[in-house]
Amino acid sequence: AQSVTQLDSHVSVSEGTPVLLRCNYSSSYSPSLFWYVQHPNKGLQLLLKYTSAATLVKGINGFEAEFKKSETSFHLTKPSAHMSDAAEYFCVVSDPYGNKLVFGAGTILRVKS
Amino acid sequence: KAGVTQTPRYLIKTRGQQVTLSCSPISGHRSVSWYQQTPGQGLQFLFEYFSETQRNKGNFPGRFSGRQFSNSRSEMNVSTLELGDSALYLCASEEGSANYGYTFGSGTRLTVV
Repeated sequence: AQSVTQLDSHVSVSEGTPVLLRCNYSSSYSPSLFWYVQHPNKGLQLLLKYTSAATLVKGINGFEAEFKKSETSFHLTKPSAHMSDAAEYFCVVSDPYGNKLVFGAGTILRVKS
Repeated sequence: KAGVTQTPRYLIKTRGQQVTLSCSPISGHRSVSWYQQTPGQGLQFLFEYFSETQRNKGNFPGRFSGRQFSNSRSEMNVSTLELGDSALYLCASEEGSANYGYTFGSGTRLTVV
């Protein structure tokens, strides 16, 4: 069965400093992995996805993630945080045989001015 | 291209009532999924439809049901509402495989009183 573990429930950074949101996954087969972002009272927006092509994936708004099979990790990074990045971020693995997404518990990112 | 549209945005219902939520997917997307989001349980998969057929169902009681029409629009129904059904219900659409990533709607906020 597929699962994801987000290692931090809350992350706080200062504006202009790097962002690191950590995610480990477990999958019975070669996974497809995603990061979604949810701003307050909004739906989920796809930031980026890994589907067995390049291991370094670039997404929207300057975010990127690196797939590391040996570490079963898919951490999300951004070189410089912006106030508008404050939101909740979800690491997600697909279950193609179940035709569904399996979500991590989420990481709330706070950006201080 | 229009996104995923969910109606209504907000609902307040009384315990014991039933409710129907609607989702219109992105044009051309044949897969529609439903997820429940609560503070305690996070994001949980309800069910997925593809070309009017339910392909998978999550671990929810039979009070939760859904259907998909020939134009790919989907509805979900919750009967005999309980206080614990209060949640944000998110609909997502995709071309046909969970590996490509789903596009989510803004959700319907259901409050049961």
